[in-house]
Parts: sequence; structure tokens; C-alpha cells
Amino acid sequence: SQELEQSPQSLIVQEGKNLTINCTSSKTLYGLYWYKQKYGEGLIFLMMLQKGGEEKSHEKITAKLDEKKQQSSLHITASQPSHAGIYLCGADRGSNTGKLIFGQGTTLQVKP
Amino acid sequence: GAGVSQTPSNKVTEKGKYVELRCDPISGHTALYWYRQSLGQGPEFLIYFQGTGAADDSGLPNDRFFAVRPEGSVSTLKIQRTERGDSAVYLCASSFTGGDYGYTFGSGTRLTVV
Repeated sequence: SQELEQSPQSLIVQEGKNLTINCTSSKTLYGLYWYKQKYGEGLIFLMMLQKGGEEKSHEKITAKLDEKKQQSSLHITASQPSHAGIYLCGADRGSNTGKLIFGQGTTLQVKP
Repeated sequence: GAGVSQTPSNKVTEKGKYVELRCDPISGHTALYWYRQSLGQGPEFLIYFQGTGAADDSGLPNDRFFAVRPEGSVSTLKIQRTERGDSAVYLCASSFTGGDYGYTFGSGTRLTVV
């Protein structure tokens, strides 16, 4: 089983709709990273959360880390075709190396 | 450079051959990571360099895989006696420290072993 579970695995939404992607861990997260990936490209850094209850926003994307630091959500408001791609959460397990454990990814399609 | 550069972008090799994948990190980034991503999966950690030394190589799957970073900048991932199961996208990332400010990833090398 995955150390980090993302849900849903895939999502198709109509342009303009809101959506949420979840990332759940069985262990405490020392840091939680959200990345976006387009096919054939590298990962684009979106946000990093470290403190329980922390919430960050950038443009129409908001990410939260729950108080227990075991679950994070990524919320997109008024989705656009440019939001389409694979969203990945990555967890820092506190190894002091900065290496990340990634979830399996959530594929988002936005229909115009 | 402006970003993390990986070469080649695509590599097709025959089973049993040796391959080298190159990563040029952002200038000044001391930390460098290699990840492997199979189709439909998230990246899996392979190895981490801090400067010239491999600080954590716990993700290397077996002794056919080896990576170097002799001058603390460019890194090369080397795979001996390639197997079809090695086919994946190999991603490189770099950061100033241990990822505190997020990594910058390269576009990856797509390795296909036939």
C-alpha cells in the first residue's frame, strides 16, 4: 500500500467548477509539498506546508494541512483548462535529507 | 543555468546495455536528488547528494544503479546491464539545502529498455 494516498485518482470537471484533491498519510508529516506535472515534463512546485492547520493560497489554488499533520487538501476554485495535469503530493518524513515520499498522483481534466 | 537540465530527454537502449543519464542542477544548489517515476505512479526516491557526497542512497534498487557528482555540480546516474523493468522517467531535482524551500525538478529522461 502507498505511504501517501491521494484521492481521487482521476477527476474530470467542467470549466468553472471547484474541486478538491486529498492526500492522506498514516504517519505525521514534517512537511507536505504539492506539485503539478504535465505529461513529458518535470514537476512544478506549487506549495509547501509545514505547520498543523497551515493554509496557503496562490491564485486560485489553496492548500491546507490539518492540525494533526496527517492529511492535506488542495482546492482549486473556478477551474480552467490550464489547471489540467497531474497533481502530486510529496511528504517529508523528517529524515533531514529532504527526500520526499510521493503519492500516486491525481489526474485532472478540465472540460471547456 | 536557469533551470535543472537533464540529458538526454529520451533514451532507448537494448536490454543488457549500459546507460548514463546526466543532470545539470541550478547553479549554487548544493542538494541534488534523483527520482524514478513509472507510468501512473508518483516519483520514487533513488539517491540524494549534498555537495559531492551521496548522503542517502537508500533508494537505489540494486547494485546495477550508481550515481556520481564528482565536482558537486553535474551528476550522472549510471545503470549497468539494463533490464526492461528499468524503463521509466528518471527525474533530477536540486535545491539550496535539504528541500526546505522546495525543489526544482528537471523535465526528466525517459528511458526505454527494449
